[in-house]
Amino acid sequence: AQSVTQLGSHVSVSEGALVLLRCNYSSSVPPYLFWYVQYPNQGLQLLLKYTSAATLVKGINGFEAEFKKSETSFHLTKPSAHMSDAAEYFCAVSDEGGSEKLVFGKGTKLTVNP
Amino acid sequence: GAGVSQSPRYKVAKRGQDVALRCDPISGHVSLFWYQQALGQGPEFLTYFQNEAQLDKSGLPSDRFFAERPEGSVSTLKIQRTQQEDSAVYLCASSLVEQTNQPQHFGDGTRLSIL
Repeated sequence: AQSVTQLGSHVSVSEGALVLLRCNYSSSVPPYLFWYVQYPNQGLQLLLKYTSAATLVKGINGFEAEFKKSETSFHLTKPSAHMSDAAEYFCAVSDEGGSEKLVFGKGTKLTVNP
Repeated sequence: GAGVSQSPRYKVAKRGQDVALRCDPISGHVSLFWYQQALGQGPEFLTYFQNEAQLDKSGLPSDRFFAERPEGSVSTLKIQRTQQEDSAVYLCASSLVEQTNQPQHFGDGTRLSIL
């Protein structure tokens, strides 16, 4: 079964600093990978998705992620954090059995300090 | 509206009561999903519909949980004889077509509290 590990349940950065949120997946086949963001009391909003077209994926709000097969990683980055980036971020992988269901990591809460 | 709509946003029930949670997907979306998100955790899959057909219910935690989508649009998740461990946010998501690389669009969820 697919699984996703997000290293660091909490990450704190200063405004303007680099944001790096880590995600590692387990899959025996090339996966489809997603990053979602969740603001308090809201649902999940798609940031970006990897579907094998390109290893560097650009998303909304200045975020991007790089797929590294050798490391089974799909880390999320943003060059310069903004206060509005404070939220919880979830990495997800589509189930390899052909089902459309997503398997999520436990999430990383990002705090941005002024 | 243009997004996935869930109602109610908040539901408080006493242990043992039955509850029904509603999801209105984006118009025209074929696939519909229910997830359960416990406090401080990522969402966990419950069940999946393609149009009116329930193709995967492997994530439903017990036979007290039941979901339906009779006309291939609105879906209802029903929990019978609620228990305290059912307290969670229940998220509904929909996607346009039945492909694994299609993004799922999420509603704001129903926060269920069982007293």
